[in-house]
Amino acid sequence: QVQLQQSGPGLVKPSQTLSLTCAISGDSVSTYSAAWNWIRQSPSRGLEWLGRTYYRSKWYNDYAVSVKSRITINPDTSKNQFSLQLNSVTPDDTAVYYCARGNSDFYAMDVWGQGTTVTVSS
Amino acid sequence: DIQMTQSPSSLSASVGDRVTITCRASQGISNYLVWYQQKPGKVPKLLIYAASTLQSGVPSRFSGSGSGTDFTLTISSLQPEDVATYYCQKYNSAPLTFGGGTKVEIK
Repeated sequence: QVQLQQSGPGLVKPSQTLSLTCAISGDSVSTYSAAWNWIRQSPSRGLEWLGRTYYRSKWYNDYAVSVKSRITINPDTSKNQFSLQLNSVTPDDTAVYYCARGNSDFYAMDVWGQGTTVTVSS
Repeated sequence: DIQMTQSPSSLSASVGDRVTITCRASQGISNYLVWYQQKPGKVPKLLIYAASTLQSGVPSRFSGSGSGTDFTLTISSLQPEDVATYYCQKYNSAPLTFGGGTKVEIK
C-alpha cells in the first residue's frame, strides 16, 4: 500500500522560502509508472496544481506558469522522497499543500499526502 | 493553457435525487478527465479517471461520461455521505488544471 508522508514548517515569513518534503513508502520515486506532484488549496484559489517530477530514463519537471519562476521540485532517490521549494513567498501563498502520486497507468492522482497547512506571516 | 470550468458551483438536493455536475474544457482533452471527491476537512479522493472509469471501491451510484470538451459526473441516488466538493481535473498534459469545484449539499 502506497503512502505519502509530508513534513515541513507550518509558518514561513514573507520573502523567505517554503520547503516541504514528501516521503514515499510502498513505491519508488524513480518508478516509470508515476509522477510526483505538489498541489495547494486555498479558499481564494481552490485546488491549484503546482508541478511534478518524474523519471523516464532521466528526470523531468513540469511547473505551473503561476509559480514557474519561484518553484523547484526535486527528487531524493537516497531517501525515496521528493521536495517542494517555493521562493519569495507572500501571504498569497498561504494554503494547504498536498503531495500526490500521479499514476501513469490510468492518468490520475491516486494517492495523496495528509496535507500541510502553511501560513505566510511575519 | 486549457481552462476547466465546472457548473454549478454549488447545489442542494434531496436524498435519493439524481445529481449531475458538468465540467467543460476550453480545448479538447480526449478522455483525460479525472473526478475527485473532497469531504469537509479531508484529503481529495480519486473517484473516476479516464472520464468514465470508476476507481476501485467507489460506489456504483457514481458515474462519469464525456469526451473532448464536455464531461459529466452523475450521482444516481444522492446519499448523505456524498456531501462533499467535487473537482474535475485535466490530465492529458501539463499543466494539470483543476476545475473550480462543485459543492454538494443535502436539502
